[in-house]
Amino acid sequence: NAGVTQTPKFRILKIGQSMTLQCTQDMNHNYMYWYRQDPGMGLKLIYYSVGAGITDKGEVPNGYNVSRSTTEDFPLRLELAAPSQTSVYFCASTPGGVVTEAFFGQGTRLTVV
Amino acid sequence: QQQVKQSPQSLIVQKGGISIINCAYENTAFDYFPWYQQFPGKGPALLIAIRPDVSEKKEGRFTISFNKSAKQFSLHIMDSQPGDSATYFCAASIVGDDKIIFGKGTRLHILP
Repeated sequence: NAGVTQTPKFRILKIGQSMTLQCTQDMNHNYMYWYRQDPGMGLKLIYYSVGAGITDKGEVPNGYNVSRSTTEDFPLRLELAAPSQTSVYFCASTPGGVVTEAFFGQGTRLTVV
Repeated sequence: QQQVKQSPQSLIVQKGGISIINCAYENTAFDYFPWYQQFPGKGPALLIAIRPDVSEKKEGRFTISFNKSAKQFSLHIMDSQPGDSATYFCAASIVGDDKIIFGKGTRLHILP
């Protein structure tokens, strides 16, 4: 099992560009999450999804969009990149229900210049 | 109410010593308290977790102590080793709910 796979691992964007961070999981998990991690600030929830076709905002959704057309995939879209979006982005999934262990991808380090 | 407060932000411990990281919460509906370990360049991974019906859970050198009345829980790493150097996150959630609330993390460095 690959678990949670994120691509790309690194990316440099210019201000105003857009990009999509890919996330796919092969564990048939219902719940998927996008977090951003900034030094000393922990993990902040951007968006999450409890199943295909259902998404909801987290703590810091501004400047981002998501979609969940399949159970496996949960891409994160950045429109009009800004320096404040420089961060490490993590995708995670859990089965949901009574099983709450979160499985994380290896992260995408994004720099906006 | 949805916050989990973690301290200290960073910690340096001598090899063989005990590392202690503390977390506090407000929402009494939380019923699952995991700790995640993150090595540089990697995503966090579940280390150990506890539910509030027990006061302590031990797995090898790692122990969670849970104080329900004080709404606090802590991670103890006994006989700390250089390989334990990592960032540790406490978290809290409600079983069956959508979200996991993370603390801000503790950077632990074990001196060889």
